[in-house]
Amino acid sequence: DGGITQSPKYLFRKEGQNVTLSCEQNLNHDAMYWYRQDPGQGLRLIYYSQIVNDFQKGDIAEGYSVSREKKESFPLTVTSAQKNPTAFYLCASSIAGRGLGQPQHFGDGTRLSIL
Amino acid sequence: SQQGEEDPQALSIQEGENATMNCSYKTSINNLQWYRQNSGRGLVHLILIRSNEREKHSGRLRVTLDTSKKSSSLLITASRAADTASYFCAGSPRETSGSRLTFGEGTQLTVNP
Repeated sequence: DGGITQSPKYLFRKEGQNVTLSCEQNLNHDAMYWYRQDPGQGLRLIYYSQIVNDFQKGDIAEGYSVSREKKESFPLTVTSAQKNPTAFYLCASSIAGRGLGQPQHFGDGTRLSIL
Repeated sequence: SQQGEEDPQALSIQEGENATMNCSYKTSINNLQWYRQNSGRGLVHLILIRSNEREKHSGRLRVTLDTSKKSSSLLITASRAADTASYFCAGSPRETSGSRLTFGEGTQLTVNP
């Protein structure tokens, strides 16, 4: 079955530590996205990528970094510069938008907490 | 930035009743989408309505779009306990390139058996 896999489901970060969240898709989608969701809130866009080896900052990119070396993979690193990383992180993918927002397929998220 | 606002923030109804959720947005859009999120899970795409459409149906879902008022509504008819979830609208802004969406803050729907 095609889909998006996020791992791990739960992650704990120590002070000063960088952590990397994994996102893999086998939907053959060109575009991939990372969102942050805080309790009772909507989704805020961290980074997105419309094609391999290219990505753009979203609305809250500070303290995060990404790479897009393969079409299937879009890992997110939460750096020590992100002072409030506790949140639910969602990865999504879609076909290329060409200026139109396409329906996005989501993984089941990674819940990150500070130790 | 969050440009969508859902109303109400929370809605509790009995099974069999209809549920209506509203969404307002600030900038011009190419399309508007509705998503559902079960607790602790990812979002699932429900329906997309284009800016030149006024109404769209999919099963028990009915979506309307009023671009003059920059608003949309999602109606779920004959609700079931399994419809309990958070529902989000997401707009595709005209002024941005690519395929990014801007999500609202969601309506938490509870359907009581």
